[in-house]
Amino acid sequence: DAGITQSPRYKITETGRQVTLMCHQTWSHSYMFWYRQDLGHGLRLIYYSAAADITDKGEVPDGYVVSRSKTENFPLTLESATRSQTSVYFCASGDYENSYNEQFFGPGTRLTVL
Amino acid sequence: GDSVTQMEGPVTLSEEAFLTINCTYTATGYPSLFWYVQYPGEGLQLLLKATKADDKGSNKGFEATYRKETTSFHLEKGSVQVSDSAVYFCALSGLYGGATNKLIFGTGTLLAVQP
Repeated sequence: DAGITQSPRYKITETGRQVTLMCHQTWSHSYMFWYRQDLGHGLRLIYYSAAADITDKGEVPDGYVVSRSKTENFPLTLESATRSQTSVYFCASGDYENSYNEQFFGPGTRLTVL
Repeated sequence: GDSVTQMEGPVTLSEEAFLTINCTYTATGYPSLFWYVQYPGEGLQLLLKATKADDKGSNKGFEATYRKETTSFHLEKGSVQVSDSAVYFCALSGLYGGATNKLIFGTGTLLAVQP
């Protein structure tokens, strides 16, 4: 299926565990993004990537790690999950050259850290 | 830095009422402006956009005009439907850490339309 997918859609984990959220897009967009959505904060950028093997920090990167070995995948890892990382996580992609910075969002992953 | 401020919700309207959701921004340079919509349980979808001053974005009966003089991009719809119930996010593409292809979002406004 074309588009952007995230997995898992729901995840419950415990404090201190490592968790990886997956994101896959089929458009070959150069840019990919990870956001977290929390009540009262809207969406906040965690990390982004301009191309394979190029990543950079966003507004709230602490406690997260990303990699991008292939253009279509952009996994987000919580190395040691904390309760404050309970949130809904959205992946997005976009192609700067032809879309005036429009981004296309995945359906989200709801993560609960106990 | 660049920022977006939108009105607090929730906004509760009856079907066929007129909708306005206010959005103002602070930005250096000339950002593009967007409205995204999030239906329950889903990701965000682009609703409309405007890329320069005085542009009007429109889609599905929604409109917003890029007003540089008032740094605003208010969302309007003449007659809302129950199916418009969602969270609406105003956003701008800003310069952030040197990269231009990033979005800065407002906190979102929940719209609830009652039949």
